[in-house]
Amino acid sequence: EPEVTQTPSHQVTQMGQEVILRCVPISNHLYFYWYRQILGQKVEFLVSFYNNEISEKSEIFDDQFSVERPDGSNFTLKIRSTKLEDSAMYFCASGRENTEAFFGQGTRLTVV
Amino acid sequence: AQRVTQPEKLLSVFKGAPVELKCNYSYSGSPELFWYVQYSRQRLQLLLRHISRESIKGFTADLNKGETSFHLKKPFAQEEDSAMYYCALNPSGNTPLVFGKGTRLSVIA
Repeated sequence: EPEVTQTPSHQVTQMGQEVILRCVPISNHLYFYWYRQILGQKVEFLVSFYNNEISEKSEIFDDQFSVERPDGSNFTLKIRSTKLEDSAMYFCASGRENTEAFFGQGTRLTVV
Repeated sequence: AQRVTQPEKLLSVFKGAPVELKCNYSYSGSPELFWYVQYSRQRLQLLLRHISRESIKGFTADLNKGETSFHLKKPFAQEEDSAMYYCALNPSGNTPLVFGKGTRLSVIA
């Protein structure tokens, strides 16, 4: 059964550094999402991506964040100048038209 | 504003006992409601969606528009049901999901 895959599973980075979180969505999906979950808190929407552009973003998704689909298979989330409060689980998800979202296993980002 | 409320952070039940995980939502239109489950060290996966009206792993959930609720129920809990359960709302089409804070279900042998 196809799955959304995310790499790495755990990333530790120093405050101020840039990180790129990678996702490979399910191949025939057209809608892509990033969510995050700070420890002990709920899953929060960051950004959705459709037709090679951002379709919606939350107020969390400020200029520090960017997304890219560089080669038709990967879907990346870049976080510039990381802060301690960026430490969280980051989930990628993908879906087809009017279907549920399928989630990756998540990347745990720890900013030290 | 769209909001999903799961009032219980943790619910502990004995094996064989009935389970009800509460979910209330706030949305002016006709949303689609989901339950996602996350077993230990695994990804979020869809458990139920209200439009399919099916039973998965013995769980059912009925959308009550009058009470704006979508509670998840199972008549007899099993140890393997222990997991985090998230109620989620999809306002329409492929718009992003709005999640509740989740309820950790612990089934005690």
